[in-house]
Amino acid sequence: KAGVTQTPRYLIKTRGQQVTLSCSPISGHRSVSWYQQTPGQGLQFLFEYFSETQRNKGNFPGRFSGRQFSNSRSEMNVSTLELGDSALYLCASSSGLAAYNEQFFGPGTRLTVL
Amino acid sequence: ILNVEQSPQSLHVQEGDSTNFTCSFPSSNFYALHWYRWETAKSPEALFVMTLNGDEKKKGRISATLNTKEGYSYLYIKGSQPEDSATYLCAFEGSYIPTFGRGTSLIVHP
Repeated sequence: KAGVTQTPRYLIKTRGQQVTLSCSPISGHRSVSWYQQTPGQGLQFLFEYFSETQRNKGNFPGRFSGRQFSNSRSEMNVSTLELGDSALYLCASSSGLAAYNEQFFGPGTRLTVL
Repeated sequence: ILNVEQSPQSLHVQEGDSTNFTCSFPSSNFYALHWYRWETAKSPEALFVMTLNGDEKKKGRISATLNTKEGYSYLYIKGSQPEDSATYLCAFEGSYIPTFGRGTSLIVHP
């Protein structure tokens, strides 16, 4: 079974631009969660999508948004990039059907904002 | 802002030593406590999901306990091996939103 894939793996953008990151979950998984990892804040939860609907949301500004498609692939968009958005962005998939699901993480997208 | 603390921040041990780390979290609104292992240049890997007070989980040489009343979980590694070197993260889930600790970095010297 193929694992979680994320594209692109590395990205360099400038302040004010926007960026879209993609996550393809493990086949059959319907839940995709997004996380931001920075040296200053550690790993933080952004949001979770299940069956094309946002199910949970962390404490991030509205510049961070996401969506999920009918094939469970998910995209995350960050608009009006700031220097502080430089981070490793991880997505994780799970079946989403049970109360506590094991999450499988992708390799991450390293975003650098100049 | 929820406070999830992990200690120690880093740990160096010799191969064969047993070790343990602590994760402290709020004792209210508890839903689940997750442990992850994150090796350098790899993705985080789920170790345990713990939900009930008194839970004990075991996977090979790694085990974990949970005390939701006092808000802590311990992760134990018996007979550490160099391949156990990684950052161990805990995540407190209250109201379905996970809050992560900063992790314990373990280095096992051969």
